Amino acid sequence: AQKITQTQPGMFVQEKEAVTLDCTYDTSDQSYGLFWYKQPSSGEMIFLIYQGSYDEQNATEGRYSLNFQKARKSANLVISASQLGDSAMYFCAMREGPDSWGNEKLTFGTGTRLTIIP
Amino acid sequence: EAQVTQNPRYLITVTGKKLTVTCSQNMNHEYMSWYRQDPGLGLRQIYYSMNVEVTDKGDVPEGYKVSRKEKRNFPLILESPSPNQTSLYFCASSSGTSGTETQYFGPGTRLLVL
Repeated sequence: AQKITQTQPGMFVQEKEAVTLDCTYDTSDQSYGLFWYKQPSSGEMIFLIYQGSYDEQNATEGRYSLNFQKARKSANLVISASQLGDSAMYFCAMREGPDSWGNEKLTFGTGTRLTIIP
Repeated sequence: EAQVTQNPRYLITVTGKKLTVTCSQNMNHEYMSWYRQDPGLGLRQIYYSMNVEVTDKGDVPEGYKVSRKEKRNFPLILESPSPNQTSLYFCASSSGTSGTETQYFGPGTRLLVL
């Protein structure tokens, strides 16, 4: 089973509109973390936002917010007032662990390509 | 400036010719890892290291080796590259093991194996 599922391979959104990128996850760990990264066409991975499994409030970073629904195991990224520069690939990721050996693991989804239309 | 550096950024090689991609971080991070990114598959972890001399396999370790002799460096070695290792490779580091730290990614290395 996929640990991280991003069901939207691509999205086209009008500039200035809000956009929600879906992410669902699967883990039996009680303690885990959820991340969103942005990858522009230049290729680098840019950290956007983090949500811990025990955090009661949804994480926010500027125009980015994470809609964390623990019971549904979803961690959707919301971008408000989208801009042309938001066009990129977006990856959801989950960190599990550390386990009793100190090992931790980061698993990525397959990504969503977001295109902002002027 | 805090950063993760990778070299080379682009590499074209031939099947069977050993190569090393270097990764270095200047943040004194304990945790480092390597990923490969392929279309439709996202990023998959190749190897990771919790500290000096401590390495472990990720999801796709076959055909790769790593070493962690110093805290700042984590090279990825392809002893006998094959065309199916053509990919975009990322090195990443993070500060600890509490599970909350973000990973800092290098700029990526595009590898083409002919």
